[in-house]
Amino acid sequence: EAGVTQFPSHSVIEKGQTVTLRCDPISGHDNLYWYRRVMGKEIKFLLHFVKESKQDESGMPNNRFLAERTGGTYSTLKVQPAELEDSGVYFCASSHPTGGRLAGPYEQYFGPGTRLTVT
Amino acid sequence: ELKVEQNPLFLSMQEEKNYTIYCNYSTTSDRLYWYRQDPVKSLESLFVLLSNGAVKQEGRLMASLDTKARLSTLHITAAVHDLSATYFCAVVAGGTSYGKLTFGQGTILTVHP
Repeated sequence: EAGVTQFPSHSVIEKGQTVTLRCDPISGHDNLYWYRRVMGKEIKFLLHFVKESKQDESGMPNNRFLAERTGGTYSTLKVQPAELEDSGVYFCASSHPTGGRLAGPYEQYFGPGTRLTVT
Repeated sequence: ELKVEQNPLFLSMQEEKNYTIYCNYSTTSDRLYWYRQDPVKSLESLFVLLSNGAVKQEGRLMASLDTKARLSTLHITAAVHDLSATYFCAVVAGGTSYGKLTFGQGTILTVHP
């Protein structure tokens, strides 16, 4: 079974530019989450999709961030315009309501992350 | 607001020694996870702890949960170099059905010969 994949693995952009990150969840996982880790701090929740609907976007830092999940499959996270403080690693995770290796419902499987550097 | 604190944040161990990482959280929780992150890999879930007194073990790692104290521990027995990684605890707040995770800061574990 393929895991969660993210693209690109690294992105270096200049302040003011736009970047779009992509996440492909595990097939069949309705729940998709975005997290980010900035400057070696803790990993913080950004938002959660159930299929194509935003269930919780309380962690989105500001309106420069736009997440979409058209069709309820892959998701994109766009940062426009990027600022220096947006640098960090952006993780995507997916889960299924009834399945998980450890804990059954809602166990989250993480992708490898996208390392974003804004210069 | 749920807060999760880990200590220590940095842990340098010698092989064959034992040590414990602590994870405190501030409000009631439905589930507590321990994750491991290797430098070039993503987050891998190690354990989930669901109830007070839960203890899980795999290999040289053992995790436990005290919900009354809002404390989880990850105990490392006879450390080996392969255990070097960053370890995170993550908590699902009580009453949250869909599993939004609140993470601790992470503990960078380095095991030396």
